[in-house]
Amino acid sequence: DAGVIQSPRHEVTEMGQEVTLRCKPISGHDYLFWYRQTMMRGLELLIYFNNNVPIDDSGMPEDRFSAKMPNASFSTLKIQPSEPRDSAVYFCASNLGTYYEQYFGPGTRLTVT
Amino acid sequence: AQKVTQAQTEISVVEKEDVTLDCVYETRDTTYYLFWYKQPPSGELVFLIRRNSFDEQNEISGRYSWNFQKSTSSFNFTITASQVVDSAVYFCALGGGADGLTFGKGTHLIIQP
Repeated sequence: DAGVIQSPRHEVTEMGQEVTLRCKPISGHDYLFWYRQTMMRGLELLIYFNNNVPIDDSGMPEDRFSAKMPNASFSTLKIQPSEPRDSAVYFCASNLGTYYEQYFGPGTRLTVT
Repeated sequence: AQKVTQAQTEISVVEKEDVTLDCVYETRDTTYYLFWYKQPPSGELVFLIRRNSFDEQNEISGRYSWNFQKSTSSFNFTITASQVVDSAVYFCALGGGADGLTFGKGTHLIIQP
């Protein structure tokens, strides 16, 4: 079975540009999570969805960040406008439901210059 | 608030030595789950184990073993007869059910040949 799929794997953009990260969760999983990993702050939860509905977005750093899940097989994380401090690896993860382990995608390495 | 502490930032051992990675957690939840993930140099996050708060039995999987002690809020990970391929960053994480995970800062394990 295919794991969590993320695209692009690498993204380099200039400050002020819009960035869209994409995620396809494992089929049948009903939870989807977005995390950010930086050297300074480690792994942080940004937002998560249950059955396509956002449940907790308290980790989203500011209004420049937004996330959607239009259907069970697709989610996006958008940054507009991007800033150099947004440079990080962004992971998407999914799981089957409450109390189960999360499976992570390969991550998107974002560099904002 | 939940918190996970991995006090060992980096550990370096020679191949075939045993090594233990420490994890201490804080939570007010009575039901919670603990996890270990491995992040090899390639960057992906690989699930290793999940343990619920009601099950304090130690677990062994090949060269890996985990020691969960609720009395000391610890969930330590031991690798027996370490190998170079074990070199990675290892993360301990805490989840309270249908939530995202709270990760420790990670322990960078270096296995020298």
